[in-house]
Amino acid sequence: GESVGLHLPTLSVQEGDNSIINCAYSNSASDYFIWYKQESGKGPQFIIDIRSNMDKRQGQRVTVLLNKTVKHLSLQIAATQPGDSAVYFCAENTGGYNKLIFGAGTRLAVHP
Amino acid sequence: DGGITQSPKYLFRKEGQNVTLSCEQNLNHDAMYWYRQDPGQGLRLIYYSQIVNDFQKGDIAEGYSVSREKKESFPLTVTSAQKNPTAFYLCASSKLQGGSYNEQFFGPGTRLTVL
Repeated sequence: GESVGLHLPTLSVQEGDNSIINCAYSNSASDYFIWYKQESGKGPQFIIDIRSNMDKRQGQRVTVLLNKTVKHLSLQIAATQPGDSAVYFCAENTGGYNKLIFGAGTRLAVHP
Repeated sequence: DGGITQSPKYLFRKEGQNVTLSCEQNLNHDAMYWYRQDPGQGLRLIYYSQIVNDFQKGDIAEGYSVSREKKESFPLTVTSAQKNPTAFYLCASSKLQGGSYNEQFFGPGTRLTVL
C-alpha cells in the first residue's frame, strides 16, 4: 500500500551544524512532496515542497532533494539553530484532490 | 490577518457524548481537511471537502461527521461511535487549482480528551 516512512525517528545535532532528515516513500506514482515542521502542541508549518519533475529545490537555509530512482526524499537544514528543534514530517501526494499521506515524523533536537 | 482558526484549543468530553470541533479559514481556500494525530505519529486524514456542500471520507472517517455549509467553515463532530477519540485534531485548507498541487495550511489544533 501507499506509505511514507522515515529512516531516523530522532536526530540530535549541534547548533551550527547541518542537519539531514531522510524520508522514503513507496508509491512511485507520487508526484508532489512536501516537508512540514511541527513544534510541540502546534499545527504543522510548511517548509518547502518539490514536484516530481525536479530533483532539488532550495529555500532559505533549507534544501529538499528528491531521488525518484530509489524513492527517497531528504531535507537539509544549513547552520541548524535551536529554533529548528521540532518534529519534521514529509508527505506525498498521489491523488488529484490534493490528498497528502504523511510519514510518522523525525524529531530534530538541536544542542548548544 | 489571514489564517485558520480552530476552537477550542482544549476540549474534554465524557464517554458517550458527541462533541463538535470548529474550523474557520479566511484564506478563500476551496478545500478543507480534517486530520487526527496520535502521540508520536503522523497525521491521518478523517474527511476532506473540495467545495461547499460536498465532502468525502478520508482514511479514518468512522465515528466522525462533517458539514460544509459555508466556504469558510468545516466543523468536525466526534460522535460516541468513535471508540478512541482522545487525540490532537488538525484542520487544514488549500487552494484547488486544476492540475496543480498546493500546500495545505494548518490551524493550531484542538486537543480532545475523553474522560
